[in-house]
Amino acid sequence: EPEVTQTPSHQVTQMGQEVILRCVPISNHLYFYWYRQILGQKVEFLVSFYNNEISEKSEIFDDQFSVERPDGSNFTLKIRSTKLEDSAMYFCASSEFTGGWENTEAFFGQGTRLTVV
Amino acid sequence: AQTVTQSQPEMSVQEAETVTLSCTYDTSESDYYLFWYKQPPSRQMILVIRQEAYKQQNATENRFSVNFQKAAKSFSLKISDSQLGDAAMYFCAYMPGGSYIPTFGRGTSLIVHP
Repeated sequence: EPEVTQTPSHQVTQMGQEVILRCVPISNHLYFYWYRQILGQKVEFLVSFYNNEISEKSEIFDDQFSVERPDGSNFTLKIRSTKLEDSAMYFCASSEFTGGWENTEAFFGQGTRLTVV
Repeated sequence: AQTVTQSQPEMSVQEAETVTLSCTYDTSESDYYLFWYKQPPSRQMILVIRQEAYKQQNATENRFSVNFQKAAKSFSLKISDSQLGDAAMYFCAYMPGGSYIPTFGRGTSLIVHP
């Protein structure tokens, strides 16, 4: 069964460093997302991406964040200058975009745990 | 703004028994979808069940069923005949009509005792 894959599973980085979190969405999906979950808190929406551009973003997704689809398969989240409070589990997800409501399910990866020290 | 509240950080159930996980949400929309996702340890979230707000009938998927109370904005998940493999974090999610972006609650950790 097709699934969303994320790498790495765990990333430790020093404060101020740049990190890139990688995701391979399901191949026929067109709508991509990044969410994050700070330990013990709710899963928060960061950004959605469709047709090679950001579709929606939350107030969390400020200038230190960027997303890219560098080729036909990868979808990346870059955090330019990491802060301690960026430590969280980051989830990538994808869904079909059929224009209808039949395929509204978002499929999630298993997450990348980012630890900023 | 829509919010999703899961008031139970953790729930326990004995194997073969039934457990109900609570979820409430706040919205002014009339057209929306509700979901329950399951996240086993170190695994990805997978969809367990979903409910369209316009449907009055509660959704059911094998041992999983929901109690959807639209007026009360409540969407609880009932797991019957609990199994050890049901142990996971369960997330309730809401998605308004016209959006493809689900909003999640904090999750409820379900422990299943043998």
